[in-house]
Amino acid sequence: DAGVIQSPRHEVTEMGQEVTLRCKPISGHDYLFWYRQTMMRGLELLIYFNNNVPIDDSGMPEDRFSAKMPNASFSTLKIQPSEPRDSAVYFCASSPRGDTQYFGPGTRLTVL
Amino acid sequence: AQTVTQSQPEMSVQEAETVTLSCTYDTSESDYYLFWYKQPPSRQMILVIRQEAYKQQNATENRFSVNFQKAAKSFSLKISDSQLGDAAMYFCAYTGYGGATNKLIFGTGTLLAVQP
Repeated sequence: DAGVIQSPRHEVTEMGQEVTLRCKPISGHDYLFWYRQTMMRGLELLIYFNNNVPIDDSGMPEDRFSAKMPNASFSTLKIQPSEPRDSAVYFCASSPRGDTQYFGPGTRLTVL
Repeated sequence: AQTVTQSQPEMSVQEAETVTLSCTYDTSESDYYLFWYKQPPSRQMILVIRQEAYKQQNATENRFSVNFQKAAKSFSLKISDSQLGDAAMYFCAYTGYGGATNKLIFGTGTLLAVQP
């Protein structure tokens, strides 16, 4: 069975550009989470969805970040405009009931 | 607010030996889940083991086992017969039970080196 799929795996962009990260959760999982990992702040929850509905977005840094989940098999995290301080590894995770979370391989984002 | 503390930034173990990683947490909830995740250099977050707080029996997964002390709020991970592939960053994590909050709260991690 396929795990959580994220794309792209690596993204290098210039400051001011729009960045879109994509995630396909494990089939049948009702919860989807977006995390960011940096050396300074560790792992931070940005937002999570239950049955495609955003439940908690209190971790989203600012209005430049937005996330959507148009259906049960797809979610996006968008940064517009991007800034160098957004450079991090972004993880998507999914969970069948909201407790045990299974992570994707992550997207390493570099903003120059 | 719930917190997770890993007091060992780095640990080292000889191949085939046993090592224990420490984790303590703070919560006012009575039901919750605790996890250990492994993050090798590839950056993938891999679930190692999970413990439900209402279960007294310590969880085990092959060479990995936990010592869960609910009263002391302690959740240590024991790795037996350590292998080179066990070298990674290990994160302890907590989440509440019942959907009140599904946020995973992570510790700062313990970097485990395995010496041949």
